[in-house]
Amino acid sequence: NAGVTQTPKFRVLKTGQSMTLLCAQDMNHEYMYWYRQDPGMGLRLIHYSVGEGTTAKGEVPDGYNVSRLKKQNFLLGLESAAPSQTSVYFCASSYSKTAYWFTFGSGTRLTVV
Amino acid sequence: KNEVEQSPQNLTAQEGEFITINCSYSVGISALHWLQQHPGGGIVSLFMLSSGKKKHGRLIATINIQEKHSSLHITASHPRDSAVYICAAEAGGTSYGKLTFGQGTILTVHP
Repeated sequence: NAGVTQTPKFRVLKTGQSMTLLCAQDMNHEYMYWYRQDPGMGLRLIHYSVGEGTTAKGEVPDGYNVSRLKKQNFLLGLESAAPSQTSVYFCASSYSKTAYWFTFGSGTRLTVV
Repeated sequence: KNEVEQSPQNLTAQEGEFITINCSYSVGISALHWLQQHPGGGIVSLFMLSSGKKKHGRLIATINIQEKHSSLHITASHPRDSAVYICAAEAGGTSYGKLTFGQGTILTVHP
């Protein structure tokens, strides 16, 4: 099915561990985004990419790194997980930079203990 | 003050009722998005509009650019409409799709 696929769906990490969240889209979208969703905070942009090989910081980039080596994949890395990174992470993609549909993944629920 | 305000924050309805969720924004926009999120679920885009009105099934979205206000209406509500509805204002003149999200409206429809 066409869309945005996020893996894994759930993960529990210990403080200090590292992990990578994968986002894959098969719609040939140029723009890809990583958000985190926390109770009472709404969705906040972590990093984004405007095309293959490019990445940029969003509102809350500290503690995260990203890479977009292939157009269809956008990876979000946590080098040393902290409890404050416990959240639900959503990836999204869009064909154009403005006034175009966003397609969201199903989310990754991450708990850092 | 948030740049995107939704009201109400919580909404309870009986099946069959007409529902309205409001969204006001203070920023200039290129588009306004309405999203739906079921409990524990992913996010689905319902509408993207920059003017006027759009309809999809029982859902209607309207926007008034001059008043910086958008509404999402659900006609003949059903328990399966129970979800969080989020509006997001997309800024214009940026190098990427910059969305500012509202806090969401939790809708519960009872049978």
